[in-house]
Amino acid sequence: EVQLVESGGGLVQPGGSLRLSCAASGFTFSSYTMNWVRQAPGKGLEWLSYIGSSSFIIYYAESVKGRFTISRDNAKNSLYLQMNSLRDEDTAVYYCARKRSSSPSYYFDYWGQGTLVTVSS
Amino acid sequence: QSVLTQPPSVSGAPGQRVTISCTGSSSNIGADYDVHWYQQLPGTAPKLLIYGNSNRPSGIPDRFSGSKSGTSASLAITGLQAEDEADYYCQSYDSSLSGVVFGGGTKLTVL
Repeated sequence: EVQLVESGGGLVQPGGSLRLSCAASGFTFSSYTMNWVRQAPGKGLEWLSYIGSSSFIIYYAESVKGRFTISRDNAKNSLYLQMNSLRDEDTAVYYCARKRSSSPSYYFDYWGQGTLVTVSS
Repeated sequence: QSVLTQPPSVSGAPGQRVTISCTGSSSNIGADYDVHWYQQLPGTAPKLLIYGNSNRPSGIPDRFSGSKSGTSASLAITGLQAEDEADYYCQSYDSSLSGVVFGGGTKLTVL
């Protein structure tokens, strides 16, 4: 059974940093491109970042470019999101999601349960 | 403001059919990029409902169907059930933004 379990969320002050983790199991993690998607309270979904299976290809949404860094450790079946210079508007539930399809309009076939990040003083 | 436009809410009685629209533009749906749909039950993570415009993953009932035409896509739910009450999101790719885009979401209420 495919499982994605996020951790690392919490309360952080504006300007602070946080590192999220996503532990994967039930599939060959090293063969899949992974993503981070977030959802602000009461709002819709926002794609944040994409990392290829070997970490060679990485993309970011403009809203987090330069502040967030995606990475992965295939030996540990884990995905990470380093978040720096956090702002109030980064408050959201952060999901890791597995990519499917080789077309540009790929989709997410499995999602984690999410981890809440609250940015507040 | 989402790149893909969905109605904020739709409703229907049990057993009825409802549709949820997803309107894009020439840089996303109109550029022939696939549309996908997700269901998000209250307090849970999104779940893939329809992929590649009209395909259902294993385990998704055939009461759910998707279609695409021009710059829009639609999700149809027939035989509405109480457990269908959820938020529904469409998703595609936008060439101008060079990234995945979502609709703003539609809250389905089963009366």
